[in-house]
Amino acid sequence: EVQLVESGGGLVQPGGSLRVSCAASGFTFRSYWMSWVRQAPGKGLEWVANIKQDGSETYYVDSVKGRFTISRDNAKNSLYLQMNSLRAEDTAVYYCARAEGGPDHFDYWGQGTRVTVSS
Amino acid sequence: SYVLTQPPSVSVAPGKTARITCEGNNIGRKSVHWYQQKPGQAPVLVVYDDSDRPSGIPERFSGSNSGNTATLTISRVEAGDEADYYCQVWDSSSDHWVFGGGTKLTVL
Repeated sequence: EVQLVESGGGLVQPGGSLRVSCAASGFTFRSYWMSWVRQAPGKGLEWVANIKQDGSETYYVDSVKGRFTISRDNAKNSLYLQMNSLRAEDTAVYYCARAEGGPDHFDYWGQGTRVTVSS
Repeated sequence: SYVLTQPPSVSVAPGKTARITCEGNNIGRKSVHWYQQKPGQAPVLVVYDDSDRPSGIPERFSGSNSGNTATLTISRVEAGDEADYYCQVWDSSSDHWVFGGGTKLTVL
């Protein structure tokens, strides 16, 4: 059974940093693109970042470029999102998702970890 | 960047058919994917590549895509189908994965 378990969320001040993690199990992690998708309170889904199987390619939504870094450790079956220079508008539930197809869609999702940026 | 437009809400009586649209410029040339999200839960993929269903998704869920509109159709709607539904595409011109704004399905 595919499982994605996020951790590391919490309360952080504007301008601060936070790293969220995702532990994957039940599939061959190194064979899949992986993604982060977020959802602000009461709002819709927003794709944040993707990373290729070997980490050689990464893509970001424009609003986080230069501030967020997606990475992975295939030996640990883990995905990470390092978030720097956090803003109030980054407040959201952050979901880890497995990317499938081109990759062009997300076939499995974690339960999410909440990040709140506030003073 | 590529924009997907969904109606904010759709209402349907139990047993009837619900249709949720997703509009985008020449969306018929892209593969469209649909997600269901119930309150407090993670999204679940219900249709991918316009009209394919993941294992475990009832046949009542179907999709179509042509021209500037993609449609998620839910037949014989049940109370348990009440949720937010999101369409999504990959925009190759920007290498961005794009979601629609979401549609709240209410079962009357």
